[in-house]
Amino acid sequence: DAGITQSPRHKVTETGTPVTLRCHQTENHRYMYWYRQDPGHGLRLIHYSYGVKDTDKGEVSDGYSVSRSKTEDFLLTLESATSSQTSVYFCATRDGALNSPLHFGNGTRLTVT
Amino acid sequence: RKEVEQDPGPFNVPEGATVAFNCTYSNSASQSFFWYRQDCRKEPKLLMSVYSSGNEDGRFTAQLNRASQYISLLIRDSKLSDSATYLCVVNRGAGNKLVFGAGTILRVKS
Repeated sequence: DAGITQSPRHKVTETGTPVTLRCHQTENHRYMYWYRQDPGHGLRLIHYSYGVKDTDKGEVSDGYSVSRSKTEDFLLTLESATSSQTSVYFCATRDGALNSPLHFGNGTRLTVT
Repeated sequence: RKEVEQDPGPFNVPEGATVAFNCTYSNSASQSFFWYRQDCRKEPKLLMSVYSSGNEDGRFTAQLNRASQYISLLIRDSKLSDSATYLCVVNRGAGNKLVFGAGTILRVKS
């Protein structure tokens, strides 16, 4: 959907290690988002980007950082992974129109042991 | 109060039934509204945008009630394939942060 690729699709890592998730889009969409999804919480916004080098925090940004050096790539980094960051992570994009919807990648399933 | 609230369900309905879900939102400045469906362990997929005048797409009808700050989704003639979690999405105020409800589970049974 909208040419959004997330990598890796699955990852198991140990507590305290750094982890970077990648989102790549081919649609030239201006906005890119990182969400996490956990049972009972639905999708919660971590960070989003409104242009190259322009990012803003979402509701659950603690412990995460992002970077967007190119329009097509949005990276999510867990500087020191914790077990509470075990989750499914979804990247989404949208163009700049007011009522444009989100288009999602396939998700990354991250397990922190 | 959560920013976007949905009844988690599950709604268990027979094939052919009509079912409706509501979603309430707290920010009166919100301008963008959507319904998504999500199948188990898959990414959310856009079902329909919700417009001020209401809109219909086949068996699906979406309505917006700004005065009471809720959106609704009506599904007619339910199919087994409609079984999924339905997510409402609202932008935060007039901005570009899009907030999800926790979802409503629909199970359609034969």
